[in-house]
Amino acid sequence: EVQLVETGGGLIQPGGSLRLSCAASGFTVSSNYMSWVRQAPGKGLEWVSVIYSGGSTYYADSMKGRFTISRDDSKNTLYLQMNSLRAEDTAVYYCARTRYSYGILDVWGKGTTVTVSS
Amino acid sequence: EIVLTQSPGTLSLSPGERATLSCRASQSVSSTYLAWYQQKPGQAPRLLIYGASNRATGIPDRFSGSGSGTDFTLTISRLEPEDFAVYYCQQYGSSPPLFTFGPGTKVDIK
Repeated sequence: EVQLVETGGGLIQPGGSLRLSCAASGFTVSSNYMSWVRQAPGKGLEWVSVIYSGGSTYYADSMKGRFTISRDDSKNTLYLQMNSLRAEDTAVYYCARTRYSYGILDVWGKGTTVTVSS
Repeated sequence: EIVLTQSPGTLSLSPGERATLSCRASQSVSSTYLAWYQQKPGQAPRLLIYGASNRATGIPDRFSGSGSGTDFTLTISRLEPEDFAVYYCQQYGSSPPLFTFGPGTKVDIK
């Protein structure tokens, strides 16, 4: 079964750092494009970042310089390192398998909640 | 940067009725890169339609997508109780890669 499970969310103070993980099963992370998408409480979906199978990485403008997407092929796991966190980064963070042929996010995890607050 | 606008914001309908949701882009987009997702409360989004009109795996045929250029439509032919949810359209731009979502349309029970 194709599945994604995110972990690593929690309560963090403004200015702090957090690393989210996304463990994949049923497919190989390194052979796919993989994305992070977030959703602030009561709001819509916002794309955060994508990593290509070749390793290239891209970010939404508001996340550039603060967030880093990466993967560990040996663990079949995707990561999102988040630094200099702000209250407005409070959201549910989803990882998703990304199909470049149609630019779609076809498999999603259940999400992990990040709360930035003092 | 392409902006997606969805209308209406909320659609109040009864089970069995037809739902027509609109997604309008600020400039022309390739139909190949226009998708629709469904999200229920407390759940992750689910891919419904890709390439503007192709149903994703396991999606019932009461869901259909159409459109081109700047205007796209998601139609639910006969609403089932499980269809009451929020629907998002999404566009992909490749250079540089950018995934843009619309603000969503909530379909709720009248």
